[in-house]
Amino acid sequence: QSALTQPASVSGSPEESITISCTGSSSDVGGFNFVSWYQQHPGKAPKVMIYDVTKRPSGVSNRFSGSKSGNTASLTISGLQAEDEADYYCSSFTGSNTYVFGTGTKVSVL
Amino acid sequence: VQLVESGGGFVQPGGSLRLSCAASEFTFSDYAMSWVRQAPGKGLEWVSVISASGATTYYADSVKGRFTISRDNSKSILFLQMASLRAEDTAIYYCARSKSRWELLGGFDYWGQGTLVTVS
Repeated sequence: QSALTQPASVSGSPEESITISCTGSSSDVGGFNFVSWYQQHPGKAPKVMIYDVTKRPSGVSNRFSGSKSGNTASLTISGLQAEDEADYYCSSFTGSNTYVFGTGTKVSVL
Repeated sequence: VQLVESGGGFVQPGGSLRLSCAASEFTFSDYAMSWVRQAPGKGLEWVSVISASGATTYYADSVKGRFTISRDNSKSILFLQMASLRAEDTAIYYCARSKSRWELLGGFDYWGQGTLVTVS
């Protein structure tokens, strides 16, 4: 149950696009289409931004998109805005009936 | 959908604590529920899941044999009984709802605000 690997930090200027990677293995990210991404602002509960690799919940901006290639999933934020500054966590179901989160990425808007 | 955790607090190493998560505004008995924790300044860690009926449970290796998840569907409450607590169990504990009525661990769509457990 090792955590999925994410970059510690990613930054970008307003209106730019950034991409956060999430690397796992064939036992989690690569083996199932149950990858989700969560946004967490300081002192707040996580909020789902992407589920099932590419799906966006109602109410989430279409500036957020997800994809997957092999054992690596990605979250792209387009048109970066100040309110996007937060921690982001990927997650995945695993083959051993457990669930694993990523190490987390701090997104900074310059 | 509302999820409200309670029961957190200070406890000595080796002690026990029971957390509760009161659910409302949805049919609680239709959904699997999980506990997820976050140590101060650290990332998220999945702890345990229970199926909608309560018949199936799974645990992270870090808590297996020490924590027990359960639910009372008649009262729409989720529980986490924690025993043999260690300093490394110090965290905010969140309850979270599975995003689909037909999935156990496909992801979470609603989270509570969390309750802090401090083992010291």
